[in-house]
Amino acid sequence: GAVVSQHPSRVICKSGTSVKIECRSLDFQATTMFWYRQFPKQSLMLMATSNEGSKATYEQGVEKDKFLINHASLTLSTLTVTSAHPEDSSFYICSARGGRGTYNSPLHFGNGTRLTVT
Amino acid sequence: AQSVTQPDIHITVSEGASLELRCNYSYGATPYLFWYVQSPGQGLQLLLKYFSGDTLVQGIKGFEAEFKRSQSSFNLRKPSVHWSDAAEYFCAVGAEGGSEKLVFGKGTKLTVNP
Repeated sequence: GAVVSQHPSRVICKSGTSVKIECRSLDFQATTMFWYRQFPKQSLMLMATSNEGSKATYEQGVEKDKFLINHASLTLSTLTVTSAHPEDSSFYICSARGGRGTYNSPLHFGNGTRLTVT
Repeated sequence: AQSVTQPDIHITVSEGASLELRCNYSYGATPYLFWYVQSPGQGLQLLLKYFSGDTLVQGIKGFEAEFKRSQSSFNLRKPSVHWSDAAEYFCAVGAEGGSEKLVFGKGTKLTVNP
């Protein structure tokens, strides 16, 4: 079946540094990718929607200059957490949808990235 | 805007017992409804979805869910729970009309006792 690969699965970085998280669709072309953030014992909060070849759409309250999203190809989207701080520590999950349109194209999730900022 | 409520934060059942996880949604028009399962440290796997038609939908791993418009509910059920079903379960709602975004509930953690 369709697979979304997210890398790295875990990352620890020092405060003030930047971290890049990759989300790849391995066997399908993902026209739309979503980035979520999940706090412990909480739900997934949508951060942004990225469409290949265009700027990402950020949800209200998400700083686009801090969470840079690049969807440069149909199989790769990246999330860069710039100048990370301890409060950015969280579980970040990407998802990818093949094909244009709505929910008839299934949504495939990556396995997430645990970010710890020290 | 749409929203999802999962009233039960944590449910414990014995292996072999039946299971029902509750989900209530809020949305003014026709909702698209989903149930996902998440194992610790993992992404989400789709169990089933409802778009239209038959209000009782069958999913993977023996799960089913029933859409009840009058109650704004989409409860997940399984007749006999297996130890491997222990996980976090999320209900999600999407909006028709072009938006592809999903709004998730806070999840229900399922513990299965032997």
